[in-house]
Amino acid sequence: AQTVTQSQPEMSVQEAETVTLSCTYDTSESDYYLFWYKQPPSRQMILVIRQEAYKQQNATENRFSVNFQKAAKSFSLKISDSQLGDAAMYFCAYRLRRTGNEKLTFGTGTRLTIIP
Amino acid sequence: SAVISQKPSRDICQRGTSLTIQCQVDSQVTMMFWYRQQPGQSLTLIATANQGSEATYESGFVIDKFPISRPNLTFSTLTVSNMSPEDSSIYLCSVEERGGEWGEQFFGPGTRLTVL
Repeated sequence: AQTVTQSQPEMSVQEAETVTLSCTYDTSESDYYLFWYKQPPSRQMILVIRQEAYKQQNATENRFSVNFQKAAKSFSLKISDSQLGDAAMYFCAYRLRRTGNEKLTFGTGTRLTIIP
Repeated sequence: SAVISQKPSRDICQRGTSLTIQCQVDSQVTMMFWYRQQPGQSLTLIATANQGSEATYESGFVIDKFPISRPNLTFSTLTVSNMSPEDSSIYLCSVEERGGEWGEQFFGPGTRLTVL
């Protein structure tokens, strides 16, 4: 069974600084997706960034980028120029890239606080 | 991206009663899912709502406790039956278009359920 581990329950960063959230996962599969979702206090889950395992290039989305290390099964999220609106729970998630296996497996989350 | 609404947004219920949660999408989607997020916890998939057939439940979740309907490609309901305080959670629906390039799931705003 696939598992996702986020070892940092809480993180804080000064506004405008950079922070990295860690995520590791365990799978015997080779073709899968990885995601970072953001859940603000309003509860709405929002996709931040996605990565396909077959792509070696790390995904980037504006101030958000990932460091995807497939061999190490590591998928960290870097937030640059942190803003107050980035404060939220961040969940790392995994799913197979296969029809009929769309289940998302989530990590336990990291609560990110932005210090003004 | 799909716009998803859920009703009710929150409810407080008595032990032993049942609550039906609705999920409405603004476009036809192939896949609909129901997740549970217990207080301070991550998301766990309850079941995949299949249009025109019985839902597919994950281990630990059964149809008698969480009956699901999906009469068409834009609507689904989840019922939490014979509730106990342990059912107090946020219940979220999500959707995905099967075969979509990115495998992205969009989430509804969630229903916060408190069982007394």
